[in-house]
Amino acid sequence: GAVVSQHPSWVICKSGTSVKIECRSLDFQATTMFWYRQFPKKSLMLMATSNEGSKATYEQGVEKDKFLINHASLTLSTLTVTSAHPEDSSFYICSANRQGLKNIQYFGAGTRLSVL
Amino acid sequence: SQKIEQNSEALNIQEGKTATLTCNYTNYSPAYLQWYRQDPGRGPVFLLLIRENEKEKRKERLKVTFDTTLKQSLFHITASQPADSATYLCALGGNFNKFYFGSGTKLNVKP
Repeated sequence: GAVVSQHPSWVICKSGTSVKIECRSLDFQATTMFWYRQFPKKSLMLMATSNEGSKATYEQGVEKDKFLINHASLTLSTLTVTSAHPEDSSFYICSANRQGLKNIQYFGAGTRLSVL
Repeated sequence: SQKIEQNSEALNIQEGKTATLTCNYTNYSPAYLQWYRQDPGRGPVFLLLIRENEKEKRKERLKVTFDTTLKQSLFHITASQPADSATYLCALGGNFNKFYFGSGTKLNVKP
């Protein structure tokens, strides 16, 4: 159990376009979902915390208008990178907490974004 | 702000030996600490959690220690196998379910 599906796994887009990444908990309800960004050989950088039905909480330095997060249900959160630029190219990973197991995060497989 | 340090150099060991990875942290008092495994191009996978009032935790071939005085955790894999080769991340947990990750240590187990 505790499977988190992230889609797409890889996306290439042109500079200026927007890209949406989906994160779904397949077999459990996620009270909280998290979005991370990871650079090569670097740690996961927490971008924002997303709670179902409420606005996401962004970490310091993360642009809210640049990285739009929507948590429409207990099983789905989306991250939209708006007006993408080459510097947005990175590995984006989502994770989710199960209800009653807040201390463990279950991660998606990640999305490799390349902006040309 | 909190700082988490893991050895950035890869750890190379021979199959069958015990691998020991270190996680040091400063400017933080986590309620618990976790270890994750990450394979290339994949998301991390949860391995073990140890709370601040626990000294040691074991799971099969894995053992984690947590010294809140030294602000350090050690992660051991006994009888290591080539399949254990991966990057291992430590993460500090605290308020509001936030986690802060180290940059990870790559483990290479040679047959």
